[in-house]
Amino acid sequence: SAVISQKPSRDICQRGTSLTIQCQVDSQVTMMFWYRQQPGQSLTLIATANQGSEATYESGFVIDKFPISRPNLTFSTLTVSNMSPEDSSIYLCSVEVWTEAFFGQGTRLTVV
Amino acid sequence: KQEVTQIPAALSVPEGENLVLNCSFTDSAIYNLQWFRQDPGKGLTSLLLIQSSQREQTSGRLNASLDKSSGRSTLYIAASQPGDSATYLCALNTPLVFGKGTRLSVIA
Repeated sequence: SAVISQKPSRDICQRGTSLTIQCQVDSQVTMMFWYRQQPGQSLTLIATANQGSEATYESGFVIDKFPISRPNLTFSTLTVSNMSPEDSSIYLCSVEVWTEAFFGQGTRLTVV
Repeated sequence: KQEVTQIPAALSVPEGENLVLNCSFTDSAIYNLQWFRQDPGKGLTSLLLIQSSQREQTSGRLNASLDKSSGRSTLYIAASQPGDSATYLCALNTPLVFGKGTRLSVIA
């Protein structure tokens, strides 16, 4: 299994600002995944982050809006840039260990 | 493109009842199927993982089955308890494609 610590757990931000979410895993993993869960909706994959290379973004998500860092095999950050109220969501990081997916507790973001 | 559907969207049952949650998918060429639980405003807790070569997995009061030929999975919860109240999500990987979930309420 894997234990994932995600910070902050929640935040309220002004529109036009940026927020960086941190994700720390208790073991080394090749890939880390970032998801968004909009209110009342299910999870949508934003991007896959590999250590030492650019993140791979899903359709509808771009690096300028959601820059990702992956400096080592246990840590990643997701930045939500130039926020608008439409960015209000829960953001979750995830890893896979022996094909089983594990998630952090999420970051609940409210943009006002 | 894989699509995952969960029925019903919401379910309310009295405590002690056995229940079944359904998950269907459009592409049978799956790798794994995983069931999660999500409490309000929280992250996801993995409940059961079924490899594509398996037909079912059990953990305590939970049993999940997989029928790739029909594109279906079920999550069976025995003797439901109020603490089981949560949203249950199924997802197929990799990468994970989620259904919209079933919101379960178990009434004491």
